[in-house]
Amino acid sequence: QVQLVESGGGVVQPGGSLRLSCAASGFTFSGYGMHWIRQAPGKGLEWVAYIWYDGTNQYYADSVKGRLTVSRDNSKNTLYLQLSSLRGDDTAVYYCVQGPRGKSWFSIWGQGTLVTVSS
Amino acid sequence: QSALTQEASVSGTVGQKVTLSCSGNNSNIGAYAVGWYQQISHGAPKTVMFGDSLPSGIPDRFSGSKSGTTASLTISGLQPEDEADYYCSTWDYSLNVWVFGGGTKLTVL
Repeated sequence: QVQLVESGGGVVQPGGSLRLSCAASGFTFSGYGMHWIRQAPGKGLEWVAYIWYDGTNQYYADSVKGRLTVSRDNSKNTLYLQLSSLRGDDTAVYYCVQGPRGKSWFSIWGQGTLVTVSS
Repeated sequence: QSALTQEASVSGTVGQKVTLSCSGNNSNIGAYAVGWYQQISHGAPKTVMFGDSLPSGIPDRFSGSKSGTTASLTISGLQPEDEADYYCSTWDYSLNVWVFGGGTKLTVL
């Protein structure tokens, strides 16, 4: 079945860096765009980043532009999110989400991985 | 505040029909299909509607519609397991980002 499994979350100090991974299975990974969406504690969902199916284009929310970088390795069926210059308001559960090519909605969600920015 | 506007809370009794709304503008809802996402007890969200189409495995008591710049999610025959937070989202071509509503907490009385 279609599955997305995030990993790499943890506790990091303000200003620090972290790399999240998302292992995809059960579908043709290289045929889909992929998103990262986050949810701060007690808050709603916030879209963070999107990468095209072939990795040639990326889109970012203004709140993370220049600090977070989305990438993918289609040979490994894996999506990445590099987080740097982390701030307290980056504390959130980060979800890896499948995005059908050319569509405005999200389809399959991973279980999420928690990033806590704290000294 | 969120780019899309949703009711903060909605409630209904078992078997009742409830409608959740999501309002935007011509650069988002007016131009693109809306996705609806269910989140139960702060678990991972699940897609329950995209446009007016049901993902596989979602019961047909869920339905979606759109009129102008407002989208709606209707649950006919409300069940206890429908109690959750519901979020709407779509692409915004003027902002070049995906936007979310603030979410609606649905309570089944």
